[in-house]
Amino acid sequence: AQKITQTQPGMFVQEKEAVTLDCTYDTSDPSYGLFWYKQPSSGEMIFLIYQGSYDQQNATEGRYSLNFQKARKSANLVISASQLGDSAMYFCAMRGEATDSWGKLQFGAGTQVVVTP
Amino acid sequence: NAGVTQTPKFRILKIGQSMTLQCTQDMNHNYMYWYRQDPGMGLKLIYYSVGAGITDKGEVPNGYNVSRSTTEDFPLRLELAAPSQTSVYFCASSRSGGGRTGELFFGEGSRLTVL
Repeated sequence: AQKITQTQPGMFVQEKEAVTLDCTYDTSDPSYGLFWYKQPSSGEMIFLIYQGSYDQQNATEGRYSLNFQKARKSANLVISASQLGDSAMYFCAMRGEATDSWGKLQFGAGTQVVVTP
Repeated sequence: NAGVTQTPKFRILKIGQSMTLQCTQDMNHNYMYWYRQDPGMGLKLIYYSVGAGITDKGEVPNGYNVSRSTTEDFPLRLELAAPSQTSVYFCASSRSGGGRTGELFFGEGSRLTVL
């Protein structure tokens, strides 16, 4: 069984500042993948970043970076230089990478981010 | 390139009615998924499919049925709708089930209300 926990239901951040969104997980799978998705108020789900548990380096995609600490079972998302368009709900998700876990992407409850001018 | 297309976008059902949410993708992805999102919550997996003719239950399959007769289409059937099925439903697809290529591409969602 696996579990994803996002402990911050909501947060405010000023424009141009960096923000860190927390995500902790628990899994018995030896190999797994971690995802972050963004859901703006319009409702669509937008993929942001992926981290494999055996990746040697932390993933980065533009202004998004994933602070992966395997021993602590955390996969925090860092958004640098926040923009007003970053206001959205952010979801952490995880999936085991063994073939019998394929397809079973599990989501956390999400963190609502509001970027203020 | 349309990606993942869901219809309808909005629907109101009466208790006990049935309906089908349609989902089609044009990316030739093998994997397809149905999730539901209740207000203020994360997404929960209802059913998924690893290819035409193959489906499997997710976390919350009760009250739903799926079929996958083609690679492109993955309809979700609600039988005997109940108020607990009021939710936003997302269809998604991915090229594979694991690794970076297992990234999910989502449709825009279908908002269903059962009264």
